[in-house]
Amino acid sequence: EPEVTQTPSHQVTQMGQEVILRCVPISNHLYFYWYRQILGQKVEFLVSFYNNEISEKSEIFDDQFSVERPDGSNFTLKIRSTKLEDSAMYFCASRRGTEGMCYFGPGTRLTVT
Amino acid sequence: AQKVTQAQTEISVVEKEDVTLDCVYETRDTTYYLFWYKQPPSGELVFLIRRNSFDEQNEISGRYSWNFQKSTSSFNFTITASQVVDSAVYFCALSEATTGNQFYFGTGTSLTVIP
Repeated sequence: EPEVTQTPSHQVTQMGQEVILRCVPISNHLYFYWYRQILGQKVEFLVSFYNNEISEKSEIFDDQFSVERPDGSNFTLKIRSTKLEDSAMYFCASRRGTEGMCYFGPGTRLTVT
Repeated sequence: AQKVTQAQTEISVVEKEDVTLDCVYETRDTTYYLFWYKQPPSGELVFLIRRNSFDEQNEISGRYSWNFQKSTSSFNFTITASQVVDSAVYFCALSEATTGNQFYFGTGTSLTVIP
């Protein structure tokens, strides 16, 4: 069964450092998403990406965040200067069409110290 | 306003008991999808079910069953004969056609099944 993969599974970084979280969506999917889950809280939408551009973003997704699909297979989330409150589980997701099933990756746990 | 409300924060049941997890949603779209995900302690999101707004038929899958009622905007999830392995956080989610099809998650219900 196809699956979304994410690397690394756990990233520890110091406050102020840049991090890049990587995702490989399912190959024939067209819609890509990043979600965030702060420990013990609900899963929150960050951004959606379609046709090589951001289609929607939440208020969480400020100028410190950016997404990119550099090579047609990877989908990355960059946090330019991490803050303590960025510590969370970050989930990547993809779906083939807007009515299709959305598949979530296993998540990257980001810890900012 | 919350689009998805899971009023039960934590539930504890004794093994073999039945348990129902409540989910109430809010949308103005006529086309939307509802989902349930399980999040075990390991952290991943495990897909359980998807329902579209035009299909109100209830579904049963083994010990799991779902009751979708548009009249009350609810999509409740019942586990019969609960087992310890059912212990997890369960999230209900809504996806609307008019809002980019992002997922709106509820706050989750933490289920503990006591042996």
